[in-house]
Order: sequence, then structure tokens, then C-alpha cells
Amino acid sequence: NAGVIQTPRHKVTGKGQEATLWCEPISGHSAVFWYRQTIVQGLEFLTYFRNQAPIDDSGMPKERFSAQMPNQSHSTLKIQSTQPQDSAVYLCASSLEWGVRAETLYFGSGTRLTVL
Amino acid sequence: GEKVEQHQSTLSVREGDSAVINCTYTDTASSYFPWYKQEAGKSLHFVIDIRSNVDRKQSQRLTVLLDKKAKRFSLHITATQPEDSAIYFCAASAGGYKVVFGSGTRLLVSP
Repeated sequence: NAGVIQTPRHKVTGKGQEATLWCEPISGHSAVFWYRQTIVQGLEFLTYFRNQAPIDDSGMPKERFSAQMPNQSHSTLKIQSTQPQDSAVYLCASSLEWGVRAETLYFGSGTRLTVL
Repeated sequence: GEKVEQHQSTLSVREGDSAVINCTYTDTASSYFPWYKQEAGKSLHFVIDIRSNVDRKQSQRLTVLLDKKAKRFSLHITATQPEDSAIYFCAASAGGYKVVFGSGTRLLVSP
């Protein structure tokens, strides 16, 4: 089991460009999360999918961020018109099942996004 | 919403000593309290958790204590080793899918 796989590890974009980040959750995990990690804000929840369905995107900056999960083996986080304040490490995590009872999150290595 | 606070940004101990990292939470409905470790340049990985039906849980050199009245929980590491050096994040969840993380405590274990 390779764990949660995130690509690319590093991405550098110019201000105003688009960035797409990829996540492959652990096979068989039905819950997929995206978090953003910065020194100032710490770990911030962005969005959550269960069985590929979007459940909660309340942490996503509405205008420029979008996330999809077209199939059970990958999810994407797209940031349009990137801004310097979007610079962060974006973490994808998956969990076996997430119902009423919270379970262990398995994190990927993250994508470090730098917006110049 | 839930807030989780880690009051120590850095904790320095000597190898072999014990380390205690403290966290508080605000939501009385929180029932699940995991801890994650982040080593330099790496992602987070799970180390131990505790649910609100118990007040203590031990796994080898790690012990988590939960005080529901005070809304406080702590991670105790005994016989620290250099490889314990990392940032430790506490978190809390009131069930469902939302997990709120603390800001992290950097543990430095010196030889």
C-alpha cells in the first residue's frame, strides 16, 4: 500500500495562473479530505468527499478554489487565478470510513504551492 | 465552532526525559482526540488517539490523558529519543467529519 499519493510535490506558479493539484487516496478509503497548511494559519480544512460525493466545501475560498472527485481513485484541487496568499502546503488525506464516528486520517506528502 | 489550542509552541527536553504536550478544546460535544506527528520535511502521520469514553490510553511510550471537565487533553512521551523530535498536532472532533487541529508543538529532544 503506497499510502495517499499527491502530485506534484512542488508547484510554482505566477500570479494569476491556474494550479491543479492531484490526490490518489488509499484504495478502499471512502472519505477524502483536503487541508491547507501554512505557518500563520496552521492546518485549515478545505473540503471533504465521501464515496466521491462532495459533502462539505465550507473551507474553500469560494471564487477561485474548486475540488472534484471524478472517481474513487483520484481527487483534484484546482486554484484559478492564483494569488501569493495561496502559497501553502496542500494536504490530501483519506480515511477508511467516516460516518458518525471519526477515524484515523492518512495524509499524503502534500503539494507545496508557491505563487510568485 | 470548535477551537483547539496548543499552548506550547516549542518544548525542549533532554534525551531520556519525559515530555508533556497540552491541548485544550472548546466544544463539549467533542468525543475524539487524535494526535499526529510531523517530522521535518514530511507529512503528518497518526500516533495515538483517545475517545471520550475513557480518560487514559497508553501505547508503548505514549500516553494520552483526557480531562473532559476541564476540556483538556495531553500527550505524554516517556524516555524520549532523538527520533521523537517533530511537530506534534493535537486535534478534536465532535463526530461527523470535521477534525479541528491545534497549531502544533515543536518537540526538540537533545542528546
